Amino acid sequence: QAVLTQPSSLSASPGASASLTCTLRSGINVGSYKIYWYQQKPGSPPQYLLSYKSDSNKQQDSGVPSRFSGSKDASANAGILLISGLQSEDEADYYCMIWHSTAYVFGTGTRVTVL
Amino acid sequence: EVQLVESGGGLVQPGGSLRLSCAASGFTFSSFWMHWVRQAPGKGLVWVSRIYSDGSSTSYADSVKGRFTISRDNAKNTLYLQMYSLRAEDTAVYYCTRALELGGDWGQGTLVTVSS
Repeated sequence: QAVLTQPSSLSASPGASASLTCTLRSGINVGSYKIYWYQQKPGSPPQYLLSYKSDSNKQQDSGVPSRFSGSKDASANAGILLISGLQSEDEADYYCMIWHSTAYVFGTGTRVTVL
Repeated sequence: EVQLVESGGGLVQPGGSLRLSCAASGFTFSSFWMHWVRQAPGKGLVWVSRIYSDGSSTSYADSVKGRFTISRDNAKNTLYLQMYSLRAEDTAVYYCTRALELGGDWGQGTLVTVSS
């Protein structure tokens, strides 16, 4: 079982909200981790969006629109990237990441399609 | 402006070696952790290795431990990844990143293809 599991794909309409989940493997408590989120468009390197550990410990990269936000769902043991007001330019792959044990671990990635 | 430019990728036979370089500019190179992350064609991101600002501490993913060596030359603002005993599964775009623990800045990557 992967350390971080993400849905492989998500489709939504322009203007809608998209909630991307990053589920931590059983036994790894989401509350203990800062979760980083990246956006990657075809042919380009990933770009850092934001990180979220708690409401008092979060950071948004400069230039990232405020319609991108992070949170956690403790009951689901998952980190969440919320994209509000989806735009065509948001079509991309999204990856979560944590520092776990002695290594950085990336999630499996979610491809977001804006219909 | 932060710039990270990778080089050294190419085609290598299984069991061969290759050294990647990453030329950094636009920031104080000697102050930051540096990392290598790779991405196989059509696949996800995989962290490979990191090195402390002064080179005194390094970490590796289990998949490359004992085969890859990360190093840096702070006088030349350059990060390296020496790769030995290359396998087909090492085929990937290799990205140099700055301060992944702060989110990170990424280079454009260099493609390594391991094939006979």
